Amino acid sequence: AQTVTQSQPEMSVQEAETVTLSCTYDTSESDYYLFWYKQPPSRQMILVIRQEAYKQQNATENRFSVNFQKAAKSFSLKISDSQLGDAAMYFCAYGDSWGKFQFGAGTQVVVTP
Amino acid sequence: DTEVTQTPKHLVMGMTNKKSLKCEQHMGHRAMYWYKQKAKKPPELMFVYSYEKLSINESVPSRFSPECPNSSLLNLHLHALQPEDSALYLCASSPRLEPHAGKQFFGPGTRLTVL
Repeated sequence: AQTVTQSQPEMSVQEAETVTLSCTYDTSESDYYLFWYKQPPSRQMILVIRQEAYKQQNATENRFSVNFQKAAKSFSLKISDSQLGDAAMYFCAYGDSWGKFQFGAGTQVVVTP
Repeated sequence: DTEVTQTPKHLVMGMTNKKSLKCEQHMGHRAMYWYKQKAKKPPELMFVYSYEKLSINESVPSRFSPECPNSSLLNLHLHALQPEDSALYLCASSPRLEPHAGKQFFGPGTRLTVL
């Protein structure tokens, strides 16, 4: 079974600064996807960024980028130029080749003015 | 239409009640999911419906029963629930379940309280 570990329960960042969230996973599969989802207080799950395991190039989406280290099974998320609207719980998720997801415990991001 | 809708938004029920949660998507997705999420915890997969086949997380009690009337609609029937079943119930859909299925789209959730 796959496991996803987020070791940072909470991270605080000032507006306009950069914060990096860590995620590690364990799998024996070679074909899988990794995701970061954001869940604001409304509790709507919003996809932030997606990475296919077979792609070496790190995914980027505007101010969000990942550092995907396949051999180390590490998948960190960098939020640049942080904004107040970035405050939310961030979940790292592993999707297997059949589309089933396993989520990490989550990291609460607090953005201070 | 790129959204997943869920009704009701909030539901309060007694332990002897029977109720249903509804989830709908019109994106032509072929896989739909039910998750349970307790406060400050990650979502936990309950059921997956794809191509009329149901896949169950074996830890889910039988008082929860999914139903898929058609490819765009997924219901979750609730019967004889316990207070510990109070949670946010999230529905999601994805284009398909096969390899390289990609991302899941989530609905806004139903907040369920069992008294």
